[in-house]
Amino acid sequence: KNEVEQSPQNLTAQEGEFITINCSYSVGISALHWLQQHPGGGIVSLFMLSSGKKKHGRLIATINIQEKHSSLHITASHPRDSAVYICAPRLSNTGKLIFGQGTTLQVKP
Amino acid sequence: NAGVTQTPKFQVLKTGQSMTLQCAQDMNHEYMSWYRQDPGMGLRLIHYSVGAGITDQGEVPNGYNVSRSTTEDFPLRLLSAAPSQTSVYFCASSLTGTGYNEQFFGPGTRLTVL
Repeated sequence: KNEVEQSPQNLTAQEGEFITINCSYSVGISALHWLQQHPGGGIVSLFMLSSGKKKHGRLIATINIQEKHSSLHITASHPRDSAVYICAPRLSNTGKLIFGQGTTLQVKP
Repeated sequence: NAGVTQTPKFQVLKTGQSMTLQCAQDMNHEYMSWYRQDPGMGLRLIHYSVGAGITDQGEVPNGYNVSRSTTEDFPLRLLSAAPSQTSVYFCASSLTGTGYNEQFFGPGTRLTVL
């Protein structure tokens, strides 16, 4: 079983829809990153969180440390949100990042 | 700040050739790492460094060497390229490797080994 599980693997939405991507992990972590990667592009860190909730524009990230679960929400989705979203917890014992397989999001106009 | 820079952006090698992928950061970060990204495999850690003069192996180190002679630079060397090393390589850095530290990624190097 992978240490990090993301769901769904693929997601197609209509512009304007509310989107949720989930991440579950089975290890002890010090922080969790949500990353965004556009096709053929680099990797950008959207959020880093260790507790509670963070909001940046239309993006919201939450984490529940006790349940070992994090979610990334996109409100009023737009075609430019089409990208791969990757959950990346940082292991508390080694400091290494581990990665989910990614969620490929396509938002249609 | 330039952040994390990588060169080259694209490279084609023949089997058996050697080359060095360059990575540099100007944020005085202690922790630097190299990942490869392959379809269906996600990002995998090749090597990492917690500071100048200190390196260690990650998940998939075979066929690669690293050194960290300065805080700024963390080159990745392919000793004898193989088609299995065809991948996209990302360098990353953070202030330290522990705790609550922002992670920065370079733009990536797309490598093809024929």
